[in-house]
Amino acid sequence: NAGVTQTPKFQVLKTGQSMTLQCAQDMNHNSMYWYRQDPGMGLRLIYYSASEGTTDKGEVPNGYNVSRLNKREFSLRLESAAPSQTSVYFCASGPGKAGGNEQYFGPGTRLTVT
Amino acid sequence: SQQGEEDPQALSIQEGENATMNCSYKTSINNLQWYRQNSGRGLVHLILIRSNEREKHSGRLRVTLDTSKKSSSLLITASRAADTASYFCAASDTGRRALTFGSGTRLQVQP
Repeated sequence: NAGVTQTPKFQVLKTGQSMTLQCAQDMNHNSMYWYRQDPGMGLRLIYYSASEGTTDKGEVPNGYNVSRLNKREFSLRLESAAPSQTSVYFCASGPGKAGGNEQYFGPGTRLTVT
Repeated sequence: SQQGEEDPQALSIQEGENATMNCSYKTSINNLQWYRQNSGRGLVHLILIRSNEREKHSGRLRVTLDTSKKSSSLLITASRAADTASYFCAASDTGRRALTFGSGTRLQVQP
């Protein structure tokens, strides 16, 4: 039981490049989430998915797209990376209704955009 | 904007002492949750307290919730060096389907 896994762990991009962050969970959770964490701050929600086939915007969705590929996988795409997207990205999953229960986090992806 | 705001931002104590962190939030909630984050790692869920509960215990953790003041506190008793981490509160709003995290309290426990 690996929990929530994320790839890659580290990434450096040049401004304008694109990339996809991958996330998978093996806990059969309905809800999945993408957050970003900037230095000295809490987590801000980018997008979430309450169930397979549905996605919704969070607090800071601009510059990102997501895909809920199946119940296990939820990917985050940066189409044209900007230095302001330098951050640590966390994927999480949770049982039951979105937002109502505890969430389980992956180890994070550290992204630097130069 | 941050729903939960923790206080203090940083706290340094000696091993064996108790650590208290406070959280304030702005809107009506279903529940309030506390998470721990060790340096460079993901967040780990500690405890969830529902809006109709006033106090909850889990091991050395004690959480209180005062919905009239829109505030919560996390008490860690008999702290250990391994408790050194950042602690975040997260509010589950009644009107939204996601958690809103505060900016965290950095706890340093000196051995």
